[in-house]
Amino acid sequence: SQTIHQWPATLVQPVGSPLSLECTVEGTSNPNLYWYRQAAGRGLQLLFYSVGIGQISSEVPQNLSASRPQDRQFILSSKKLLLSDSGFYLCAWSVGPLAFFGQGTRLTVV
Amino acid sequence: KQEVTQIPAALSVPEGENLVLNCSFTDSAIYNLQWFRQDPGKGLTSLLLIQSSQREQTSGRLNASLDKSSGRSTLYIAASQPGDSATYLCAVTGLGSNYKLTFGKGTLLTVNP
Repeated sequence: SQTIHQWPATLVQPVGSPLSLECTVEGTSNPNLYWYRQAAGRGLQLLFYSVGIGQISSEVPQNLSASRPQDRQFILSSKKLLLSDSGFYLCAWSVGPLAFFGQGTRLTVV
Repeated sequence: KQEVTQIPAALSVPEGENLVLNCSFTDSAIYNLQWFRQDPGKGLTSLLLIQSSQREQTSGRLNASLDKSSGRSTLYIAASQPGDSATYLCAVTGLGSNYKLTFGKGTLLTVNP
């Protein structure tokens, strides 16, 4: 069966520090991968998506970047975090129309 | 640009009540619509997926309907239970969008024992 792993579950980082969130998928090949952010009162916003290795599309301009070094690995990064990067980050995958989500990472930038 | 709106933002009901959550979207060119459940601090669990050609889907006490032409969907929960308390999110997938989801802000449901 397919599973998605996302870590860490929670993270507190100082402003200006780097960020690396990792997501891996098991049990499927060539999935579409997505990073969403959920900010208080704003709903879920798509940040990046990838349809294949090395193929990244950014949905909104921001302080973050994404990479897909392997078929089932998706990484969200930042060189210098801002206070506004705080939020709940969710990784998701899909093969076809059904989407599956990880358990999320609560990022607090202080 | 697709926009998804969910009404109400919050709902509190006594246990056993039947209830309806509403979702509307502005662009009817969708591939499908999904309803998700989110428990506090957790990821999303897919509840029901309705293809654009379908009118409704049922799973247990849940029934979701879709009226694509009017841009509306409802999630009906029968005989609500305290364990149904969660945030319910509606999301649509636009045609040719690489299955990207556009979400509403959700409805926070509280079922009181």
